[in-house]
Amino acid sequence: AQSVTQLGSHVSVSEGALVLLRCNYSSSVPPYLFWYVQYPNQGLQLLLKYTSAATLVKGINGFEAEFKKSETSFHLTKPSAHMSDAAEYFCAVRRRSGGYQKVTFGIGTKLQVIP
Amino acid sequence: KAGVTQTPRYLIKTRGQQVTLSCSPISGHRSVSWYQQTPGQGLQFLFEYFSETQRNKGNFPGRFSGRQFSNSRSEMNVSTLELGDSALYLCASSYQATSGPYEQYFGPGTRLTVT
Repeated sequence: AQSVTQLGSHVSVSEGALVLLRCNYSSSVPPYLFWYVQYPNQGLQLLLKYTSAATLVKGINGFEAEFKKSETSFHLTKPSAHMSDAAEYFCAVRRRSGGYQKVTFGIGTKLQVIP
Repeated sequence: KAGVTQTPRYLIKTRGQQVTLSCSPISGHRSVSWYQQTPGQGLQFLFEYFSETQRNKGNFPGRFSGRQFSNSRSEMNVSTLELGDSALYLCASSYQATSGPYEQYFGPGTRLTVT
């Protein structure tokens, strides 16, 4: 069975501080991994994706994530938080299952940025 | 390219009624997935359609159904509405359903309130 675990349903950081949102997955084979962001009353927007081409993936808005197979992790980071980063972030795993692609989302992490 | 559009954006229904939600994917995308998002359960997969065929289905009762038309537009129907069906319903489209890491592009969602 495949699952995605996001540690910390709420994370608070000060403006200008490092953002670290954690994601661990369980899968028998390396899957495709994604981070999405959701602003209030909006759909999800893709931040970045891991497709096995490179372990360090750079995304939009200054975010990046590193795939670590040994730790089955795909944590999202940003060196300096901005007020506009306040949103909910979802980690997702996409893996081939029964001939089709199956996507599993984590429960989400709400990021609060304190001025 | 226009993004994923969902109509209506907001809907209020009473228990026992039925509702139909519509989703128009990005031009050229043939895969459409539906998700239910609630504060307690997060994002839960409903079903996925590809070229008018249901390819994947989540663990929802038969009251939830969907279909996809030849132009890839999709509709989702919920019959005999229950209070617990109140949620944000998200539609996502992607280029391909059977292979590749193709990311999903989400619409803004339909906020359904059941009273």
